[in-house]
Parts: sequence; structure tokens; C-alpha cells
Amino acid sequence: GQQLNQSPQSMFIQEGEDVSMNCTSSSIFNTWLWYKQEPGEGPVLLIALYKAGELTSNGRLTAQFGITRKDSFLNISASIPSDVGIYFCAGQRDFGNEKLTFGTGTRLTIIP
Amino acid sequence: SAVISQKPSRDICQRGTSLTIQCQVDSQVTMMFWYRQQPGQSLTLIATANQGSEATYESGFVIDKFPISRPNLTFSTLTVSNMSPEDSSIYLCSVVGRGSLDTQYFGPGTRLTVL
Repeated sequence: GQQLNQSPQSMFIQEGEDVSMNCTSSSIFNTWLWYKQEPGEGPVLLIALYKAGELTSNGRLTAQFGITRKDSFLNISASIPSDVGIYFCAGQRDFGNEKLTFGTGTRLTIIP
Repeated sequence: SAVISQKPSRDICQRGTSLTIQCQVDSQVTMMFWYRQQPGQSLTLIATANQGSEATYESGFVIDKFPISRPNLTFSTLTVSNMSPEDSSIYLCSVVGRGSLDTQYFGPGTRLTVL
């Protein structure tokens, strides 16, 4: 099935640095979601975006829903060790059709 | 958000056997889904678990291999049948709660290893 393209595939950064990752699709989605998955756990929802152009923050996390509805990005400011994990974007086409298409994931590693 | 539990959390199984995974939610939810996450990969939707009727499977997944039950609004099972090593994955259930903007929350997953 289709997967959304996420970049970068992995990131190695120092604590305190800002992080930026994005997600692109060849088709339109009407909802974009960002999840974080830690080892041995299921994905945890970070941010949900429901309108094109929407910019939403959750603490140090900020995500935007692209105007074209074909992309989204996630920024993490002032990274800390607990930010380590795999970040997945996910797109949902319509309300009432809640099936999610997931991105390929971005693995974040923080160098002490 | 709903609290979701899965049993077992992990298992090691022999080729040719079957394993049933349970997903329990602490509140009634409108929709339940089952996903597979192969080692080092992203999540792929297996099927939508429909309450009181047959599950809706995605392309590449069939009922004979992954039978699913959903007897009520808080519980579902996924069976991985006639397992082979290629079935070694994390299997996750997810739910959509009630409310127009409720989105999808995931259980902790079941890590399956087939020898």
C-alpha cells in the first residue's frame, strides 16, 4: 500500500538543537497526524492537524499542515534526551474514513 | 484518550501454529483497527474490525490468514494463522473514540516472533 515519504530517515543531533522533519505525499490528505514511537511501545499521538495551513504547537513541538494538503512538517525545539524515538507522520483522507496511511518514519538520536 | 491494552505483550511461536491477540479498551469506541509493523518498518493497516460483522481487509491481507473478531465496542481479537517466520512483527490495535475530531490512539503492541 501507499506510504508517505518522510525525511530525513534518521537524524543525529546534540541535546539543545532544534529538529525539523517533513512528510510528503503524491495525493491529498484532509488530516495529518504526528506520532512518536519508543522501543517496545505503540505510537503515541503528538499533534493532529485538521485544516490546510494550520500551525499547531504542543510544548516544544510545532507542526504545520501544508497548503497543498500534500505535506506536513514537524519541528522540535531545544531537544532533550527523552525526545529520542521514531517519529511517524500519518495522513487520513476523510472524516468517517479513519484509515491512516503512515510515513516511513524519522529516527531521532540525541548525542550526549 | 482511551486506555488500550493488548495481550499477550510478546510471544515466541512455532511455525504452523496460530496465535490470537486480544485488544481491550476502557471505553466504548467507534472504530478499531489492526496494524502490522515489520521489523524496522512503518505501520501497515491489516483491517478494520467491524462490530457485529466481518472485518474489512486491506489489499494483501485475507480473512483466512488474519481472522478478526469484534463482539462489542470495547474488545477485538486478531488471529495470526498458520504462522511462518515472515509473520514476525509487532501487531498493534488502534481505536477511534467518540466525537467528530477524535483521532486514532494505539495500543502497546504485541511483539510476535515465529521460529
